[in-house]
Amino acid sequence: QVQLVESGGGLVKPGGSLRLSCAASGFSFSDYYMSWIRQAPGKGLEWVSYISSSGSNIYYADSVKGRFTISRDNAKNSLYLQMNSLRAEDTAVYYCASLNSNYAAFDIWGQGTMVTVSS
Amino acid sequence: QSALTQPPSASGSPGQSVTISCTGTSSDVGGYNYVSWYQQHPGEAPKLMIYEVSKRPSGVPDRFSGSKSGNTASLTVSGLQAEDEADYYCSSYAGSTVFGTGTKVTVL
Repeated sequence: QVQLVESGGGLVKPGGSLRLSCAASGFSFSDYYMSWIRQAPGKGLEWVSYISSSGSNIYYADSVKGRFTISRDNAKNSLYLQMNSLRAEDTAVYYCASLNSNYAAFDIWGQGTMVTVSS
Repeated sequence: QSALTQPPSASGSPGQSVTISCTGTSSDVGGYNYVSWYQQHPGEAPKLMIYEVSKRPSGVPDRFSGSKSGNTASLTVSGLQAEDEADYYCSSYAGSTVFGTGTKVTVL
């Protein structure tokens, strides 16, 4: 069964840090670009970051550049997002998703993990 | 990059059709044939419905169709069914990915 399962969300104070994880199963994780996408409460989708299949190419949205770091461990079929200097506006459900690089669309999504930044 | 522009809402009766627009620029929607559409039911993750402007992944009903003209892409849902009531988001690849503002489709 093709599946992505996120974990690591929670409540954190402004300025704090959090590390999200995403465990993949049922597909060849190491062949796929992976991405983090977030959705603030009641708002639309916002792309956060991509990482290539080997990890050698990484891209970030301007809103998180310099604060967030995406990484992956293909041996563990896992994707990560290290989030530092968190702000209230980072409050959102964070989804991991596989990016089919042939047609630039996100074809497998996790269920999401909630991150709340509040004092 | 700015979000792509979608109407906030659209509606139709069962069996009717509804079309949602997604307007960008020549740097995103107009410049690439990498427009995708996602369906999101409340409390659930988005689901890919259309990729490369008009192609459907396996398992997506052929009631869903996509098109593009210039800087505007469109999603049409024909033969509306109750389960089509959801939020719909377009996206375009343009070096990075930009999503649309989202459209809530209501089945009357």
